[in-house]
Amino acid sequence: SYELTQPPSVSVSPGQTARITCSGDALPKKYTYWYQQKSGQAPVLVIYEDTKRPSGIPERFSGSSSGTMATLTISGAQVEDEADYFCHSTDSSDTHAVFGGGTQLTVL
Amino acid sequence: QVQLQESGPGLVKPAETLSLTCTVSGGSVNSDYWSWIRQPPGKGLEWIGYVYYSGNTKYNPSLKSRVTMSIDTSKEQFSLKVNSVTAADTAVYYCARGGCLRCYDSSAYFDSWGQGILVTVSS
Repeated sequence: SYELTQPPSVSVSPGQTARITCSGDALPKKYTYWYQQKSGQAPVLVIYEDTKRPSGIPERFSGSSSGTMATLTISGAQVEDEADYFCHSTDSSDTHAVFGGGTQLTVL
Repeated sequence: QVQLQESGPGLVKPAETLSLTCTVSGGSVNSDYWSWIRQPPGKGLEWIGYVYYSGNTKYNPSLKSRVTMSIDTSKEQFSLKVNSVTAADTAVYYCARGGCLRCYDSSAYFDSWGQGILVTVSS
């Protein structure tokens, strides 16, 4: 079945740029969406349609996509950005939605 | 913004049926796609499927044989049933708006989520 691959963990110091990648064969033709999940909470959408940011999400969050890889960038990461981040897309045949395995971001 | 709230038993016996309901407020289920997503403890997210306001459904192929979703527009609710559960079905279950697979608009992504409900499968 179709898979999206993320690194298990990313660590940065406060103020540095964090980049979280998501790779999948269908990404050249499918949008990628990104969710932030803090401990014990439901996920929150932070990027949609590869690059767009919902209202209320800080400008330091941005997204990009090229070929089979999508990237979530947090420019000037803050301690409050510590969370798990999941990418989401669909397989090439539109049979099901898929999430990446998640990346734990540590900011310290 | 629309709000969602899951409800149902937190403990289900093996081989029995898990049944959950999601109640929508601040909006209407009489439009859009409504999904169920689960997360085993300490693990990642898994899309279970969606129900469209018309009643049409789409399920994850890995769960399709055991899953049934329905919608009650008069009650602003939609529901999930998973039969023949095992310990592997133990998870936090979320309801969410969105999940359309062939859409390229806001129906495709999950922009509103319930708080989640932990369902444990154990005798």
